[in-house]
Amino acid sequence: GDSVTQMEGPVTLSEEACLTINCTYTATGYPSLFWYVQYPGEGLQLLLKATKADDKGSNKGFEATYRKETTSFHLEKGSVQVSDSAVYFCALGGATNKLIFGTGTLLAVQP
Amino acid sequence: GAVVSQHPSRVICKSGTSVKIECRSLDFQATTMFWYRQFPKKSLMLMATSNEGSKATYEQGVEKDKFLINHASLTLSTLTVTSAHPEDSSFYICSAKGDREEDTQYFGPGTRLTVL
Repeated sequence: GDSVTQMEGPVTLSEEACLTINCTYTATGYPSLFWYVQYPGEGLQLLLKATKADDKGSNKGFEATYRKETTSFHLEKGSVQVSDSAVYFCALGGATNKLIFGTGTLLAVQP
Repeated sequence: GAVVSQHPSRVICKSGTSVKIECRSLDFQATTMFWYRQFPKKSLMLMATSNEGSKATYEQGVEKDKFLINHASLTLSTLTVTSAHPEDSSFYICSAKGDREEDTQYFGPGTRLTVL
């Protein structure tokens, strides 16, 4: 069945460092891909999404490109801030409307 | 953007009692709502999908008689944990989606349930 694999954390970075969180997927058909962010004590917020191959989702300096050839949707940011500290979830959405989540990656950014 | 609220945000109850959690879409009509459970340091586990006016569809391994879901209107779904036990303690999150295929799921802030 469909699945999402993302890198285990925690990822600890200094402020202004580059971030990459890897995400790969297995799916039948042509799913939409999402990154959600969960700040401490809060629910999930949609960070960005891409609905077809080669689409690039972007928001708040974060980017991810839907790569069909490598079945990947890696999250990147050129310069992280302390306020980016959160758990990031990669997710896949298929024809059934269900979202399948990865296990989440905790990002800790230190000043 | 679309806003989804949950109430209560935290609840503590005694073992054997029932707890109701509400999920509301505040500025859009949610034809489909989803209920998830999140364990500490784990991902979200989909419990059930509910469509307005029809019975919820439960995921494998989720007891429908224990987790009662009602989606009576286009803006409200409720999850009732019946005869709660300590192992039901968890973070419960709902999400809501409109009726277009490309609609994104918008998540509520979650409800922390603690069963003593």
